[in-house]
Amino acid sequence: ENVLTQSPGTLSLSPGDRATLSCRASQSVSNSYLAWYQQKPGQAPRLLIHRASSRATGIPDRFSGSGSGTDFTLTISRLEPEDFAVYYCQQYGSSSWPFGQGTRVEIK
Amino acid sequence: QVQLVQSGAEVKEPGASVKVSCKASGYTFTGHYMHWVRQAPGQGLEWMGWIKPNTGDTNLAQNFQGRVTMTRDTSISTGYMELTRLTSDDLAVYYCARGSALGESPTPHEYWGQGTLVTVSS
Repeated sequence: ENVLTQSPGTLSLSPGDRATLSCRASQSVSNSYLAWYQQKPGQAPRLLIHRASSRATGIPDRFSGSGSGTDFTLTISRLEPEDFAVYYCQQYGSSSWPFGQGTRVEIK
Repeated sequence: QVQLVQSGAEVKEPGASVKVSCKASGYTFTGHYMHWVRQAPGQGLEWMGWIKPNTGDTNLAQNFQGRVTMTRDTSISTGYMELTRLTSDDLAVYYCARGSALGESPTPHEYWGQGTLVTVSS
């Protein structure tokens, strides 16, 4: 099973800052079937990015994804107050759909 | 609009079983995989597996094989996840989530249920 490792565990930033989140897979992710989700307390996850770099419906363009193979990045260009949350990556489309352990983006 | 509505919170004793339901609407139930994901308090997301509603075929994460059964009732567009031999480690919110359309390229979970809290306590 592919193991996804996210870093850092916590990112302390201010509104307006740029956030860069990493997701590294232990094996290559085929067809770049890598998704990013945002989760706020008490809510279900929200899909942000699919196929490593395609924004889901209704997602603002300050969110962008990049990468291929084993290394992927989620970038939030300018943090808005509502962006402080936990972010997860997930490999999909294979026999197993594991998640990374998450990165918390908190207000500095 | 696509909706996944789950059953309410459950409190179970250690060793018991729990069955959570997920009623789908707004799309063809048999046309998409249904996945289950759980989240322990303060922890990350853990993928549990999927069911193919048209056939009932399942694919379970290794950690849950032998203890989880996923079923469906196509007449009422509802999927079920049953977890047996509960322990305190099973305390979590359990989510259903829509997966890929059958016969189409894989897609991640755009639609999620609201979650069902399962508490295990004597």
